[in-house]
Amino acid sequence: EDQVTQSPEALRLQEGESSSLNCSYTVSGLRGLFWYRQDPGKGPEFLFTLYSAGEEKEKERLKATLTKKESFLHITAPKPEDSATYLCAFRGGNEKLTFGTGTRLTIIP
Amino acid sequence: NAGVTQTPKFRILKIGQSMTLQCTQDMNHNYMYWYRQDPGMGLKLIYYSVGAGITDKGEVPNGYNVSRSTTEDFPLRLELAAPSQTSVYFCASSYSEGAEAFFGQGTRLTVV
Repeated sequence: EDQVTQSPEALRLQEGESSSLNCSYTVSGLRGLFWYRQDPGKGPEFLFTLYSAGEEKEKERLKATLTKKESFLHITAPKPEDSATYLCAFRGGNEKLTFGTGTRLTIIP
Repeated sequence: NAGVTQTPKFRILKIGQSMTLQCTQDMNHNYMYWYRQDPGMGLKLIYYSVGAGITDKGEVPNGYNVSRSTTEDFPLRLELAAPSQTSVYFCASSYSEGAEAFFGQGTRLTVV
């Protein structure tokens, strides 16, 4: 059965303290691995798509990487405005878009 | 370009009432999805559609129905509302199976 697990559930960092969020997945026929940011009371906002192992994407302080079993969202020197819930999702061969439960990230000034 | 538009934003229903959550997109996307999100939980897929006239069940379809008569619209129907359907509902669309999905702002539904 296709599954995705995100860790940790919650993460508190000091401003400027770099870290990584993990997304482990089990899926047959990966069609895409997606990262989203969700602010309270809002819909998820698209960040990155990764399609194959070894692929990397960057945007400002965020960098997403992909292996055959995991994806990482690295955050470098975060700022308070980076506080949000980060969701990963995948689409496999059955065309469904399946989400993990998210990592709630808090950046303390 | 409005993207994905959901209405209403908020709604309170009494147990046993019915309602339709509206979702429309103006990006000519083939794929559309309905999710529910409960506090502290991830997004659970209710129904999805890969094109007009085609719909399929997701993880949690019980108590809901959908239709897809046009590319733009994907309404979600709740029949006989129950307290367990209290949640935030998100509609999303994507161009293809490999493309990212774009989300609406959500409908917060309370069943009392």
